[in-house]
Amino acid sequence: AQTVTQSQPEMSVQEAETVTLSCTYDTSESNYYLFWYKQPPSRQMILVIRQEAYKQQNATENRFSVNFQKAAKSFSLKISDSQLGDTAMYFCAFMKQSFYNTDKLIFGTGTRLQVFP
Amino acid sequence: DGGITQSPKYLFRKEGQNVTLSCEQNLNHDAMYWYRQDPGQGLRLIYYSQIVNDFQKGDIAEGYSVSREKKESFPLTVTSAQKNPTAFYLCASTTDRANTEAFFGQGTRLTVV
Repeated sequence: AQTVTQSQPEMSVQEAETVTLSCTYDTSESNYYLFWYKQPPSRQMILVIRQEAYKQQNATENRFSVNFQKAAKSFSLKISDSQLGDTAMYFCAFMKQSFYNTDKLIFGTGTRLQVFP
Repeated sequence: DGGITQSPKYLFRKEGQNVTLSCEQNLNHDAMYWYRQDPGQGLRLIYYSQIVNDFQKGDIAEGYSVSREKKESFPLTVTSAQKNPTAFYLCASTTDRANTEAFFGQGTRLTVV
């Protein structure tokens, strides 16, 4: 069974600084997707970034980038130039890539990020 | 606009009652999911459905039931067998196409009174 582990329950960073959130996962699958989702106080889940396991290049979305280490089963999220609006819960998630791409979607326990002015 | 709609936003249940949470999507997605969110425990999978008329148990299915009679709808019933139902419930769906991602509803807060 797949598992996702986020070992940092809480993190804080000053505005404009850089912060890295950690995520490790366990799977015997070769093909899968990894995601980072953001949940602000409104509790609406928002996709931050997605990585396909077969791609060696790390995904980037504006100020958000990942460090994907497939052999180490690590998938960290780096937020550059942190903004007050980045304050939220961040969840790492895993989905096995099946023929229909609609397999079980597993989440970690989350990291609460606080951005200070 | 396409999206996922959960209703109601807040729900109160007396002990011993069954309640049903609604989840409807107009994204034409095949797969739908129900998660429970408790403080410090992240999102735990209750049930998921990859196709109409089929669904599988997640990690915490006891005390819950689902149906998937239509592609657009995936209601969750919290039965009286669920001993600690107070939580925030999230519904999600995914597409079967490449570059898949999960889209979420806005959630239902269930409180037992």
